[in-house]
Amino acid sequence: DQQVKQNSPSLSVQEGRISILNCDYTNSMFDYFLWYKKYPAEGPTFLISISSIKDKNEDGRFTVFLNKSAKHLSLHIVPSQPGDSAVYFCAASAEFGNEKLTFGTGTRLTIIP
Amino acid sequence: DSGVTQTPKHLITATGQRVTLRCSPRSGDLSVYWYQQSLDQGLQFLIQYYNGEERAKGNILERFSAQQFPDLHSELNLSSLELGDSALYFCASSVVEGREAFFGQGTRLTVV
Repeated sequence: DQQVKQNSPSLSVQEGRISILNCDYTNSMFDYFLWYKKYPAEGPTFLISISSIKDKNEDGRFTVFLNKSAKHLSLHIVPSQPGDSAVYFCAASAEFGNEKLTFGTGTRLTIIP
Repeated sequence: DSGVTQTPKHLITATGQRVTLRCSPRSGDLSVYWYQQSLDQGLQFLIQYYNGEERAKGNILERFSAQQFPDLHSELNLSSLELGDSALYFCASSVVEGREAFFGQGTRLTVV
């Protein structure tokens, strides 16, 4: 049962343009969402998070949007840079009963110079 | 550097053997999580501990076990190893359960 889904296995974006990575979830108990970036042979690195009481959170070039009614979140990276090429995972957790982080399957982002 | 330390970084062992992976969480973090990543796939949750107590279990095989010690470090024991157990094993820690978790560099296990 895949509770967190990233339906696009890969995405290519021109350097300087906006990258938009999408994530859907099915568990309505999830109330906290995170994005991680992963380079090959390294551990995932935390990027940005959002609580369900918000619909947007920004940190520099990274913005996460949450649409609770659609059970959808997205990560916007602007402008995209070559160093952003990596696999991006979204993750979700619930305050009670499901405190572990449940990860999506990841989207491989390639920034084209 | 996330502050989470995993040892060893690489491990090659034969089928049927038993290995122990070790994780030292960030200072002050009480929650420890173990994840498995096979062949560039997603991160599969194995097990979570909080301050020495098991909190959640994922699809962890019966041949696998883990524990968190009083000094908060954790060990993941994998026994009767099979070729399919070859994977990257990640440990992560967090201050608050289910919130920002920080990952170690992983242990790459190769079963031959």
